[in-house]
Amino acid sequence: DAGVTQSPTHLIKTRGQQVTLRCSPISGHKSVSWYQQVLGQGPQFIFQYYEKEERGRGNFPDRFSARQFPNYSSELNVNALLLGDSALYLCASSFGQGTTNYGYTFGSGTRLTVV
Amino acid sequence: AQSVTQPDIHITVSEGASLELRCNYSYGATPYLFWYVQSPGQGLQLLLKYFSGDTLVQGIKGFEAEFKRSQSSFNLRKPSVHWSDAAEYFCAVGALEYGNKLVFGAGTILRVKS
Repeated sequence: DAGVTQSPTHLIKTRGQQVTLRCSPISGHKSVSWYQQVLGQGPQFIFQYYEKEERGRGNFPDRFSARQFPNYSSELNVNALLLGDSALYLCASSFGQGTTNYGYTFGSGTRLTVV
Repeated sequence: AQSVTQPDIHITVSEGASLELRCNYSYGATPYLFWYVQSPGQGLQLLLKYFSGDTLVQGIKGFEAEFKRSQSSFNLRKPSVHWSDAAEYFCAVGALEYGNKLVFGAGTILRVKS
């Protein structure tokens, strides 16, 4: 079975641009979460989606948005990019909604560099 | 609010030596606790998790962790470290009462010397 897949693996954007990151969860998993990992820090929670609805939001500005599609894949959008948005963006999938006791399986991430 | 502290930023151990990575959390009720490992440029791999029951949890790659409620700790251990264990280790806590997120510590970088 394929794990959590994220695309692209790397990208470079200019300040002020917009970016879309994509995630496909493990087959059968209905929950997708997004995390931002700045160099030298632990991941920070951005969003969680379950059954195409937002179920949790972290302390991030409105420039960050996400959505989940009927096939449970997800996109994370970031508008008006800032240098501080440079980070590894991790997607995690889980079987259940709101039940962290199932644990999350993480993808390999998308490395975003803003110049 | 939940918080996770990993007091050691870097740890260096000799190959074959034992390892203990510390993790302390701040949370009132019983949390769900996790240890993840991350190799450079990679995502997070789950080593083990604690939800309830036996406080000593066995994981993959020979790792184990012990939940101590009285100390609010969930330390990761391995009796004999291999060079391939060199990576960054993250402790994380989740709880139903705090929504659908994991809160991570800042990580501990493990170096293994031969």
